[in-house]
Amino acid sequence: DGGITQSPKYLFRKEGQNVTLSCEQNLNHDAMYWYRQDPGQGLRLIYYSQIVNDFQKGDIAEGYSVSREKKESFPLTVTSAQKNPTAFYLCASSATGTGGFGQPQHFGDGTRLSIL
Amino acid sequence: GEDVEQSLFLSVREGDSSVINCTYTDSSSTYLYWYKQEPGAGLQLLTYIFSNMDMKQDQRLTVLLNKKDKHLSLRIADTQTGDSAIYFCAERRTGFQKLVFGTGTRLLVSP
Repeated sequence: DGGITQSPKYLFRKEGQNVTLSCEQNLNHDAMYWYRQDPGQGLRLIYYSQIVNDFQKGDIAEGYSVSREKKESFPLTVTSAQKNPTAFYLCASSATGTGGFGQPQHFGDGTRLSIL
Repeated sequence: GEDVEQSLFLSVREGDSSVINCTYTDSSSTYLYWYKQEPGAGLQLLTYIFSNMDMKQDQRLTVLLNKKDKHLSLRIADTQTGDSAIYFCAERRTGFQKLVFGTGTRLLVSP
């Protein structure tokens, strides 16, 4: 079945350490997204990519980095510059273009990142 | 402003109807979506509506859109305990691929 796979489900980071969250999709979607979710808040966009080898900053990109070397993969690195990284991270993908069904975003099951 | 607003909490009894409301600010929105999030999980797309529609029905779900007031609602008929979750509305604006999400409404269904 097609879908989005995020790994790991739980991740712990030490102070000063970079960590990378994996996101893979087999939906043949061109666009991929990373969101951060804090308790009691909505989703905030970190980075998004509409095509391979291209990506744009979202609303809260500071302290994060991404790459898009393959259509299927959009890993997110949480760097040591991100001072408050504890959150639930969600990856999504969507088709692009002007299709008649609105190209909704489909989500993975998330990665919960905590600080040791 | 860019905010998409939702009430934080809704409590209903099993078998009743639930109505979750959302207001948005951008009149250029093209599609509006409703997502469901269960604890510790990602977001599941429930339904969506195109901005030139007033209503869309899909089994127990009815979406109403009032473009004049920029108001969107999701009605769940015969609400079940399994419907307990957080519900997010989201809008897609003209010319943009990304979505703007509301803060989410926590629905609690009691037996």
